[in-house]
Amino acid sequence: GAVVSQHPSRVICKSGTSVKIECRSLDFQATTMFWYRQFPKQSLMLMATSNEGSKATYEQGVEKDKFLINHASLTLSTLTVTSAHPEDSSFYICSARGQAELAKNIQYFGAGTRLSVL
Amino acid sequence: AQSVSQHNHHVILSEAASLELGCNYSYGGTVNLFWYVQYPGQHLQLLLKYFSGDPLVKGIKGFEAEFIKSKFSFNLRKPSVQWSDTAEYFCAVNAPYTGFQKLVFGTGTRLLVSP
Repeated sequence: GAVVSQHPSRVICKSGTSVKIECRSLDFQATTMFWYRQFPKQSLMLMATSNEGSKATYEQGVEKDKFLINHASLTLSTLTVTSAHPEDSSFYICSARGQAELAKNIQYFGAGTRLSVL
Repeated sequence: AQSVSQHNHHVILSEAASLELGCNYSYGGTVNLFWYVQYPGQHLQLLLKYFSGDPLVKGIKGFEAEFIKSKFSFNLRKPSVQWSDTAEYFCAVNAPYTGFQKLVFGTGTRLLVSP
């Protein structure tokens, strides 16, 4: 099956710093990538959808200046949490979807990044 | 509001017991339905999906799900669970109003299978 790699798996940072999370599709071209946030014991909440080469579409209530998303190529999307604060601590998960038959209409998920802001 | 509901938040079973996890959605019209599993410390994996055709779909690891359109349901079943099925299970729906781009997830069901 399609593989999505997410890096880093865990990051601890000081309040006020920025953190970048990478999401790569390893064996298919991801025309669309998604970023989710998962709170403890809760479901995944979609933060934004990004299409290669265009600006991301953010869900209601998600600050686009706080969570910068770049989808510069068909295999890479990045999420930057700017000026992180303790309330940004969470589990961030990316997923990718391609147009090819293998990945059509199905999202493949990365392993997630656990962000802890001190 | 349009949503996906999983009514069982925690389920505890003994090995060999049968499993059924409920999933209901509130979208009208055509939907794509999914069950994902998240094993401890691992990423979400697709168990099975329904797009069209036979409403009884079979997935990996002996799981199956039945789409009942009249009940807006897509329940997950397994006749005999194993300890290795301990995981969290998420039902998800592709939202038709966004061109089937987005996945909307239920709140998940934590399954614990005791040996």
